[in-house]
Amino acid sequence: GESVGLHLPTLSVQEGDNSIINCAYSNSASDYFIWYKQESGKGPQFIIDIRSNMDKRQGQRVTVLLNKTVKHLSLQIAATQPGDSAVYFCAETPPGTYKYIFGTGTRLKVLA
Amino acid sequence: KAGVTQTPRYLIKTRGQQVTLSCSPISGHRSVSWYQQTPGQGLQFLFEYFSETQRNKGNFPGRFSGRQFSNSRSEMNVSTLELGDSALYLCASTSGAGEQYFGPGTRLTVT
Repeated sequence: GESVGLHLPTLSVQEGDNSIINCAYSNSASDYFIWYKQESGKGPQFIIDIRSNMDKRQGQRVTVLLNKTVKHLSLQIAATQPGDSAVYFCAETPPGTYKYIFGTGTRLKVLA
Repeated sequence: KAGVTQTPRYLIKTRGQQVTLSCSPISGHRSVSWYQQTPGQGLQFLFEYFSETQRNKGNFPGRFSGRQFSNSRSEMNVSTLELGDSALYLCASTSGAGEQYFGPGTRLTVT
């Protein structure tokens, strides 16, 4: 199957600090990207999306940045809270494929 | 609006058996995708259906199959279960704009 990596990187941040989670995507033709949050025992939860004609999009406490030149996506979480502790995945979709390709995921741990 | 629902939530089967999982997408969503999630391989795409037609398929053996009904509900079937099929099976429904939302998953354990 298509998936990237076997090891889950971990990011530990202090409560109240800002978090930045990075993702390298694989297909330069991908034109739509989504960030998901997955808590233990639950399905992935849609956080924010961005299309390839944009380089930044803001939501509530979250910002997604897209750098198409280096095929890089980042998720910024402002004022990180304990409830933000989860695994975060980025997903890309190349046009016309009707499928989403997921990154390895990053575990975010918020320290009190 | 109700989210994506999956049944059953948990399932224990024996090697060699078959299993059918069900997914009801968000009302109005016509695209349904299935994924397998394991600790070692992450989220892997199984297949996608739209208006009862499979539009794409991942790299899984033929033991994995699916279908979609006229009301957009979908089922996936795994025949001749193997220990390695133990995983969380996730269904996602996609809006016309491409926003994909996941259900809670079915945890399948094969013994």
